[in-house]
Order: sequence, then structure tokens, then C-alpha cells
Amino acid sequence: NAGVTQTPKFRVLKTGQSMTLLCAQDMNHEYMYWYRQDPGMGLRLIHYSVGEGTTAKGEVPDGYNVSRLKKQNFLLGLESAAPSQTSVYFCASSYGQGLVLGQPQHFGDGTRLSIL
Amino acid sequence: DQQVKQNSPSLSVQEGRISILNCDYTNSMFDYFLWYKKYPAEGPTFLISISSIKDKNEDGRFTVFLNKSAKHLSLHIVPSQPGDSAVYFCAASAGEYGNKLVFGAGTILRVKS
Repeated sequence: NAGVTQTPKFRVLKTGQSMTLLCAQDMNHEYMYWYRQDPGMGLRLIHYSVGEGTTAKGEVPDGYNVSRLKKQNFLLGLESAAPSQTSVYFCASSYGQGLVLGQPQHFGDGTRLSIL
Repeated sequence: DQQVKQNSPSLSVQEGRISILNCDYTNSMFDYFLWYKKYPAEGPTFLISISSIKDKNEDGRFTVFLNKSAKHLSLHIVPSQPGDSAVYFCAASAGEYGNKLVFGAGTILRVKS
């Protein structure tokens, strides 16, 4: 049981390049999330999805787009990478009303992204 | 403005003693609180949670205390073990916003053997 898998684990981009981060979960979770973690700060929510075909903005959505075409996958795209987007990106998933039922979010191991 | 604050960037404790990690929040709408543990190069893993209707929740060596009037929660680890050395994140959620978590900046715990 892999849980939440993120690919790639590391990537270096040049300013202005585009890329897509992939998140896959095998727990049949309804909700999926993308966070970024920066030094001295906690994880901040970028975008999230409450089900296949739906997405919503989180706390820091600018410069990112997402898609949830399949229930098990949640993609995070950077159309034109900027140095300010250098960060560690975490994907997470949970059951529909995860916190109400006491079911927490499950996280992947992260993607370390550097933009030069 | 940070809604969830962990004011101690790091904590060092001797093996076998108690570790106490603290967290303060400002948003009175928060009604669910969680602690996550994170090792280097891994994602956060859920540790323990507490609903605002309770003031204490215990799971083995881990106990979380919630003081709603002070908007403060703490995580107690007794006894501390070297394997507990990690970054601990406090997180909070408001029922109105469902599963959207707000995280603190984390506290690095070092348990010395």
C-alpha cells in the first residue's frame, strides 16, 4: 500500500520554464491538497480538491494551476516558474469530511523544487 | 498574520524525560487541532488530534491539552525517546472551512540519549 506518491522527488528549473508535479493516492480518498513548505514557515495550502473534476484555491494559489481529472490523481502545474516558487511541495489526501470523522490528511514525501 | 504560532523553534530533552511542545492560535473559529510529526526527507505524519469540545486527548505516550480560553494547546510526550527527534507541526481547522488546515512553523525536537 503506497499511500500518497509524489513525482518527481527533485527538480531544478530555470525561470520561465513550466512543469507539472504529479500526486497519486491509492486510498480512495475524496479530498486532495497541495501545500508548499518554506524555511521558518509551516505548510501553506496552495489548492485543494473535494472530488474528481473539482478544484478550489487555498491560501497561496497565485502562479499555480491544478487539475483533478481522475479521483486518484491531483496535478500541480507551474506555467512560468519564478525563483519565489522554490520550495518543498507536499501533496496530501483525506476522506470526504476527514476532520469531522477524525480522519487526518495523509501526506506524500514531498517534491523539492529549485528555480534558478 | 500567522493564525497558528509555535514560538519555540527548537527543544532539546533528555531521553526518558517529558517533552512539552506548545502552540498558540488566534482564530476563535478553529475547532479542530492536530499534531503532525515530520522526519527529514519525509512527509508529515499524523500524530494526535483534539476537538474543541474536549480539553485532553491521550494516545500512548502522547497527550494533547487544549485551553480554549487561552487559545493554547500543548503536546506532551512521556517518556521521550531518541526516535521522537523530529519536527512537530501544530495545525488547526475551522469547521466552516472543512478540511483546510492552517499550520504552525514547527518545532524541532531533539531527544538526547
